[in-house]
Amino acid sequence: NAGVMQNPRHLVRRRGQEARLRCSPMKGHSHVYWYRQLPEEGLKFMVYLQKENIIDESGMPKERFSAEFPKEGPSILRIQQVVRGDSAAYFCASSPGGGAYEQYFGPGTRLTVT
Amino acid sequence: DQQVKQNSPSLSVQEGRISILNCDYTNSMFDYFLWYKKYPAEGPTFLISISSIKDKNEDGRFTVFLNKSAKHLSLHIVPSQPGDSAVYFCAASERFSGNTGKLIFGQGTTLQVKP
Repeated sequence: NAGVMQNPRHLVRRRGQEARLRCSPMKGHSHVYWYRQLPEEGLKFMVYLQKENIIDESGMPKERFSAEFPKEGPSILRIQQVVRGDSAAYFCASSPGGGAYEQYFGPGTRLTVT
Repeated sequence: DQQVKQNSPSLSVQEGRISILNCDYTNSMFDYFLWYKKYPAEGPTFLISISSIKDKNEDGRFTVFLNKSAKHLSLHIVPSQPGDSAVYFCAASERFSGNTGKLIFGQGTTLQVKP
């Protein structure tokens, strides 16, 4: 009974490079949420996706960040031209439905921008 | 604009005693509240939740109390065990109002349970 999987667990990128973070939801879950945790802070909502649809991206920075959840394969959070301020832990959570269900979190990807 | 606040960054209790973690919120539209526990280098683990139609929910050693008029909730852990040492996050959402269910988190409280 695999939980939410995220890879890579750790990612180091130089300023200006691209970062791709992957999330495979729990079996039977078709709803994915991405959150970011900056050092010494709580988790902040970024984006909510269902298969092939972005439902709520109100927490996404306007530039450089994008997310997708294709019909087949994991959800991808993509950060273009990374800057030092992007260094954070990025968590993915999945649920079997939208707002009416608990969210189950993956172990996170720790992004370090050098 | 911090809609969910955990004003105590840390809490230290003796094993076997009660741990009380507090959380305040400002958005009256929140109707569902959750507590998550987080160990270093791991994702948050769901502990317990409560909807706004209740004022108390229990699950084993964990009890969550909700005071809607004060916009305050608390998590009680009795008895506390050393394995409970972790960061505890309070989260809230507009679960039943047709919202997308995104969670708004507090800053977290680090609980240390001493043997």
